[in-house]
Amino acid sequence: RKEVEQDPGPFNVPEGATVAFNCTYSNSASQSFFWYRQDCRKEPKLLMSVYSSGNEDGRFTAQLNRASQYISLLIRDSKLSDSATYLCVVNPLNSGYALNFGKGTSLLVTP
Amino acid sequence: DAGVIQSPRHEVTEMGQEVTLRCKPISGHDYLFWYRQTMMRGLELLIYFNNNVPIDDSGMPEDRFSAKMPNASFSTLKIQPSEPRDSAVYFCASRIRGNTEAFFGQGTRLTVV
Repeated sequence: RKEVEQDPGPFNVPEGATVAFNCTYSNSASQSFFWYRQDCRKEPKLLMSVYSSGNEDGRFTAQLNRASQYISLLIRDSKLSDSATYLCVVNPLNSGYALNFGKGTSLLVTP
Repeated sequence: DAGVIQSPRHEVTEMGQEVTLRCKPISGHDYLFWYRQTMMRGLELLIYFNNNVPIDDSGMPEDRFSAKMPNASFSTLKIQPSEPRDSAVYFCASRIRGNTEAFFGQGTRLTVV
């Protein structure tokens, strides 16, 4: 069983829609959490970190529920440029600074 | 800074041949990671280094895979002999201790025929 699980999608949504992605992780000792974005045939890039109190960056909101070992990403007012794969990422306590990646959720925003 | 630099960008080789992938991390970053990405398995950590020392190589699939980091500005991942199932995109990433973000290179797309 993979340590970080995501619904692969694809999620097809119209421009302007709100879409939410979820992710679960198995290692309760995990200490850091992130969402990365990966465009087609490109490298992953950090989208945002995820904090226990929740955090927002423009149209993007990330939430962490440590009790349920669950992470979410909400995208409001979707843009065509949001089309990408969104990777849920966890840094387990005993892994140094190595990051464990989910397989990603594919998002396609259509006109 | 130019970011993490990987070479080659694409590699096509025949089964049984040796393949060497190269990575130059961002200057000053003390952690370097090698990942492999496939459709089936996603991004998998192969090995990572801290201050040029291998810390965890448990993700290296077989003895055919080896990685070195002779100095702070260079690392290699070698596959010998290569097999078709090694076909994947190999990413190198670097990070500063305490910094949250890992920066990835553009990857090497390896095809073994």
